[in-house]
Amino acid sequence: GAVVSQHPSWVICKSGTSVKIECRSLDFQATTMFWYRQFPKQSLMLMATSNEGSKATYEQGVEKDKFLINHASLTLSTLTVTSAHPEDSSFYICSARGLAGLTDTQYFGPGTRLTVL
Amino acid sequence: GQNIDQPTEMTATEGAIVQINCTYQTSGFNGLFWYQQHAGEAPTFLSYNVLDGLEEKGRFSSFLSRSKGYSYLLLKELQMKDSASYLCAVKDTDKLIFGTGTRLQVFP
Repeated sequence: GAVVSQHPSWVICKSGTSVKIECRSLDFQATTMFWYRQFPKQSLMLMATSNEGSKATYEQGVEKDKFLINHASLTLSTLTVTSAHPEDSSFYICSARGLAGLTDTQYFGPGTRLTVL
Repeated sequence: GQNIDQPTEMTATEGAIVQINCTYQTSGFNGLFWYQQHAGEAPTFLSYNVLDGLEEKGRFSSFLSRSKGYSYLLLKELQMKDSASYLCAVKDTDKLIFGTGTRLQVFP
């Protein structure tokens, strides 16, 4: 149980284009989903927290107009990187938290590696 | 401010025991998590401590002292597959704050 998927697992795009990443909780309802970014050899940095049906809460320094988050249902959240640039190249990881029968634990998706040329 | 410290790298021998320490200073505390992360993969949940003391789960144990702002992850009977990064994360209100991670290399 408590499986989270992400799609795509990797994507290469041209500078200036937009990329959408999906995060799904497969066997539980996720009341809250989190989006992280991880640069090589660094730890995870929280970008934003999204609750189903409400606006996402962004961390300081994260541009909400550039990183659009939609949490339309209890099993799906999407992150859209708009007008991507090479400095946005990173490993994007989502996590989901819900009533999965365990402690208040976040379960992570497999991550999406974004490369912007 | 929020501060979570871990050693950057550690090495150990197959079959040995290793202890990875984590110290934290956060504005809030609602529990401490340990995750394992292999290169290029997402973190996987290892353990959760919210009360002081030791939590044991197979070859992995985690300890917490809230008064000292200190936790450790203990790995016993090390295997080559345990080579990975180990992330300490503090739950502050609704979100996780991650430490920098400890890269563990297990040698035969």
